[in-house]
Parts: sequence; C-alpha cells; structure tokens
Amino acid sequence: AQRVTQPEKLLSVFKGAPVELKCNYSYSGSPELFWYVQYSRQRLQLLLRHISRESIKGFTADLNKGETSFHLKKPFAQEEDSAMYYCALMEPSYGKLTFGQGTILTVHP
Amino acid sequence: DAGVTQSPTHLIKTRGQQVTLRCSPKSGHDTVSWYQQALGQGPQFIFQYYEEEERQRGNFPDRFSGHQFPNYSSELNVNALLLGDSALYLCASSLAGWTGGHLGYGYTFGSGTRLTVV
Repeated sequence: AQRVTQPEKLLSVFKGAPVELKCNYSYSGSPELFWYVQYSRQRLQLLLRHISRESIKGFTADLNKGETSFHLKKPFAQEEDSAMYYCALMEPSYGKLTFGQGTILTVHP
Repeated sequence: DAGVTQSPTHLIKTRGQQVTLRCSPKSGHDTVSWYQQALGQGPQFIFQYYEEEERQRGNFPDRFSGHQFPNYSSELNVNALLLGDSALYLCASSLAGWTGGHLGYGYTFGSGTRLTVV
C-alpha cells in the first residue's frame, strides 16, 4: 500500500535561511507527487507537482526515485512561508491522494 | 467562481446520530472526493464520486456513504456517529482523468466542515 512520511512535525528557521521539508514515500508503481500548503485560516491549496518541475513562490522539489523522496526546498525562507505543508502521492488511475501527516513551518523574523 | 463550497461550516452532533455534509464542486469539475482530517493528521481519503457513482473508496466503514447528483454536487452521510468521527471533512473537486497534467483541472479543496461528536 502507498504511504507518505513527513518525518518532521515542526520546523523552525529564520528569515533568509534555507529550508528543506522532507518527504519520503512508498509506492509500487510510478507515483505522481505533490506538495500542498495550508496558510492560517485558508483552505488547502496546491503548491507544486513533480511532473511540471516548476518553481512556485521560490519552492522547488525534486523527485528522487532511488531514495523514494520528494523533498521541498527553498533557498531563502520568508515569513509569509509560515504554514502547514503536506506532501501527497496520487494514484494515477483514480486521482486518490495519500497525504503525509504534514510539517508546520515557522519562519522567524 | 466561488470554487468548492461546503456546508455547513461547523456542526455538533450527538453520538449515535446521523449527519449529512454537502459539497458543490468548482465550476467545470465533475468529480468529487471526500477526505477526513483528524486533528494533527493529514487528510485521509474516504471516497470519490464520478458520474453519480462511487469510483474508489478508502479504508472507511460502511457507516460512511455518499451520493453525487446530476449537477455534480455531492453529499457525505455518516450514520451511527462515534466520538472518533470528530474531524474536519474536506471536499475536493477535479476533472475526470486529471492526473496532474494541467493545474487548472486539478484538485481544488473546499474549506471543510468541522464536525464535533459529543
């Protein structure tokens, strides 16, 4: 069965510091992976997905099939990046998302 | 476009009662998925509806059932409520066959319904 693991429940960094949110997955096929973000009092929204290889708000994520990881990175964290971040895996056939438990990122001034 | 709309926003029910939650998908979307998010946890997939049929189901008991209407809106019903059913219930809409190709067709989440069972 598929599983997504985010080992850090809480992550604190200072503004301007690099940040990396870890995500590991287990899946028997070729997964589609996403990062979702939830800012305070807002709904869950898509941040980025691995197939597009795009950068959103300065965040990037590289799929490493050998290590089964999809870590989210940003070179210079901003205070407005403070939020809950979820890594999610999608089964291509039906669009079911399996989420990790989430990481709360706090960026201090 | 209001996006995905869920109602009610908050609900308090007594153990053993039944509850119905409602979801209107984003305009242009035809598939509705339901997720349960317990406090401190990531969302867990309950089921997905497409063409008025349950297409896929997560690891939830039969007390959880759903329905999709011809206008693509959906309901989630939970019978014989347990204290453990207290959670945020999220609805997400998408376009059938979306597997991440075009961001605009992808999953769009509602704000959720906060269910408290006492």
